[in-house]
Amino acid sequence: KQEVTQIPAALSVPEGENLVLNCSFTDSAIYNLQWFRQDPGKGLTSLLLIQSSQREQTSGRLNASLDKSSGRSTLYIAASQPGDSATYLCAVRASGGSYIPTFGRGTSLIVHP
Amino acid sequence: EPEVTQTPSHQVTQMGQEVILRCVPISNHLYFYWYRQILGQKVEFLVSFYNNEISEKSEIFDDQFSVERPDGSNFTLKIRSTKLEDSAMYFCASSPMGTGRNEQFFGPGTRLTVL
Repeated sequence: KQEVTQIPAALSVPEGENLVLNCSFTDSAIYNLQWFRQDPGKGLTSLLLIQSSQREQTSGRLNASLDKSSGRSTLYIAASQPGDSATYLCAVRASGGSYIPTFGRGTSLIVHP
Repeated sequence: EPEVTQTPSHQVTQMGQEVILRCVPISNHLYFYWYRQILGQKVEFLVSFYNNEISEKSEIFDDQFSVERPDGSNFTLKIRSTKLEDSAMYFCASSPMGTGRNEQFFGPGTRLTVL
């Protein structure tokens, strides 16, 4: 059974720092991995989707990498801003017929001015 | 920009009552999903739906749950006889294609409180 772990669980940083959020998964036979942002009491906003054949995806100040063999993905946030404060979730979809995603618990990020 | 909408934003019900949570997916999307998130817990997949039938469902999605697309725009989740442990945020999502390849777009959620 796929297990997804996100470290750290919480992070508080001053504005301007570059950040790395980690996501690890136990079964490397994945179809893709998706990073989401969740604001308090709100739904999930998709940030980046990495297919199993890809190594990284970039969108603006965000860069996500994927290392399937080691079961890891990182989300890099450059020059963090207070508006980046949210919970960041990763979700892994398994290959092999079922596309049910498994989510991590998330990293709660606070960027203070 | 098109978005997924959900109603109501908050639903309070008594244990044993039936509830229907409503979603309007993005109009040209073909695949629809329900997820739930118990307070402080992970987001959990419930069910996916395509071409008027269930594509996949998780262990959580037992006989108490059902989904329906009653018309061309709405997608509903029904819980027949609610239990205390059904209290959670319920998220609807849609995607233009299935197979997991395409991004899913999530609605803002319905907070269900069962008393």
